[in-house]
Amino acid sequence: DQQVKQNSPSLSVQEGRISILNCDYTNSMFDYFLWYKKYPAEGPTFLISISSIKDKNEDGRFTVFLNKSAKHLSLHIVPSQPGDSAVYFCAASAGSNQFYFGTGTSLTVIP
Amino acid sequence: EAEVAQSPRYKITEKSQAVAFWCDPISGHATLYWYRQILGQGPELLVQFQDESVVDDSQLPKDRFSAERLKGVDSTLKIQPAELGDSAMYLCASSRGQLKQETQYFGPGTRLLVL
Repeated sequence: DQQVKQNSPSLSVQEGRISILNCDYTNSMFDYFLWYKKYPAEGPTFLISISSIKDKNEDGRFTVFLNKSAKHLSLHIVPSQPGDSAVYFCAASAGSNQFYFGTGTSLTVIP
Repeated sequence: EAEVAQSPRYKITEKSQAVAFWCDPISGHATLYWYRQILGQGPELLVQFQDESVVDDSQLPKDRFSAERLKGVDSTLKIQPAELGDSAMYLCASSRGQLKQETQYFGPGTRLLVL
């Protein structure tokens, strides 16, 4: 049973515009969330995190929003750059360091 | 910048054969993870070590999979015998400690194809 879902397998955005990647989860016990970015032939790299006590966390061009009532997580990238083209995974944990990953969204930023 | 090393990067084997993957975590990282990522899915935790001890292997198919981290540094994941459904990317990650806030650093993975 997939506890973390990324319903959009792919997303294309023009350079300079906003990219919004979405993630939904089912387990109300999840209290810590991550986004990872993965380039081809490389392992995932950590991007940004958010604790359930917050509803927003920002790091440069990347902002993660958490809506606990909707069990929804989103990653905003502003402005999008061609180097942001990658697969993005969201992940969630419920009190431990065992994370459940979504299936990923492939982002393409068009120059 | 220190990285997690994995070898081999690619492995092709026939079903019923044995395969082994090696991982060298970032120096000083006490926690090591093995994940399996099937095509089109996210990584799934197989086993977690804290130093040389297994912390969580609840998702490891123990009838055919084994993992060890004898000296608490590098680690080996073995599959014997391999099955067609084992074709996947096997990712190793490490972190300084077990806290969920500790960033997990991933290696490039070993892509396994079982024929």
